[in-house]
Amino acid sequence: QQQVKQSPQSLIVQKGGISIINCAYENTAFDYFPWYQQFPGKGPALLIAIRPDVSEKKEGRFTISFNKSAKQFSLHIMDSQPGDSATYFCAARLNNAGNMLTFGGGTRLMVKP
Amino acid sequence: GAVVSQHPSRVICKSGTSVKIECRSLDFQATTMFWYRQFPKQSLMLMATSNEGSKATYEQGVEKDKFLINHASLTLSTLTVTSAHPEDSSFYICSAIDLLGETQYFGPGTRLLVL
Repeated sequence: QQQVKQSPQSLIVQKGGISIINCAYENTAFDYFPWYQQFPGKGPALLIAIRPDVSEKKEGRFTISFNKSAKQFSLHIMDSQPGDSATYFCAARLNNAGNMLTFGGGTRLMVKP
Repeated sequence: GAVVSQHPSRVICKSGTSVKIECRSLDFQATTMFWYRQFPKQSLMLMATSNEGSKATYEQGVEKDKFLINHASLTLSTLTVTSAHPEDSSFYICSAIDLLGETQYFGPGTRLLVL
């Protein structure tokens, strides 16, 4: 059972545009929502994370928007650059499950120059 | 951010041999480490949770006798793929949680190819 649904599976954005990736979850026991960036052949790297008591978090060009009532959260990449081309994974953590993360299916982002 | 290393980065072995992959937290202590498997163009699949000084907890469908995990210290966990077969070929990634217990830091991954 996929507990975190991520969309779209792939995304093409022009340089300078805004990339938006969405995730939805069902389990209200999730208490921490990180986003990871993964380049081919590399491990995922933490990009930004949010807790459900906050509706938005911004770090540089990356912003997480969180809608607790809708059980949805999204990653916005402003002024997208070709170097942002990677696979992005949202994740959710169960507080009482040993800090295990449940990952979304991933979004392959391509930023065209 | 915290650094997690993996060794080797890639390994090619013959069917039937065993392969050991090391995961180290370089600048922090990790009571918990995780081992994931990732197939091409797919998400990360959790294999097991490794706690220092205790037996690993395996996810459903993961054979504990085939994927041996040892977490002997707060900075080292090892995954041994025993009697590897071609279907074990995959990208194996470890992660570690620092003592604050929130952020998972991932290693660079190990590409295993079993011939």
